[in-house]
Amino acid sequence: GNSVTQMEGPVTLSEEAFLTINCTYTATGYPSLFWYVQYPGEGLQLLLKATKADDKGSNKGFEATYRKETTSFHLEKGSVQVSDSAVYFCALLRRGSQGNLIFGKGTKLSVKP
Amino acid sequence: EAGVTQFPSHSVIEKGQTVTLRCDPISGHDNLYWYRRVMGKEIKFLLHFVKESKQDESGMPNNRFLAERTGGTYSTLKVQPAELEDSGVYFCASSRDTSQETQYFGPGTRLLVL
Repeated sequence: GNSVTQMEGPVTLSEEAFLTINCTYTATGYPSLFWYVQYPGEGLQLLLKATKADDKGSNKGFEATYRKETTSFHLEKGSVQVSDSAVYFCALLRRGSQGNLIFGKGTKLSVKP
Repeated sequence: EAGVTQFPSHSVIEKGQTVTLRCDPISGHDNLYWYRRVMGKEIKFLLHFVKESKQDESGMPNNRFLAERTGGTYSTLKVQPAELEDSGVYFCASSRDTSQETQYFGPGTRLLVL
């Protein structure tokens, strides 16, 4: 079946540290891949996406590359800020589906000053 | 452009009671989705409307859940009677077109069943 596995949290980093949140997926065909972020007290926001192999999504200093050979879509940021503290969700959308996103469990990131 | 809104933001009810959640999608978005996140678990798809029609309700847990979207605008999700395991955060999302379009999420409704 289709599923998303992302690293367990919580992740605690100091400001300006390097961030990696791992995400791997299992899917039939070639899905689109997404990272959503949920800041405290807010809803889910699309952070970035990639729709085909080797695409790189980027936004707000975050990047993730669609790796078909390793079925991965790891989220990275070179220098995190306190304002990046949030829960990050990796998700896939199976091509040809009606739009049902399949999510990972979420990874809570806390950035300390 | 206003985003997706949900009401209420929080609801605390007792087991056996009824609760109705409301979602207002972004204006002009024909597609409306409901998702749920039970504590510590994945966000799971519940159902999908295209305008007023249910396109896919394969994620609805059981017949205690009833979703409607009369007129193809806002949607309601009713839980009757509520059980303890229904506690969680219920998210609504909308998109303009089907399939590969970005889904925009609301802030969610936090439901606690005691």
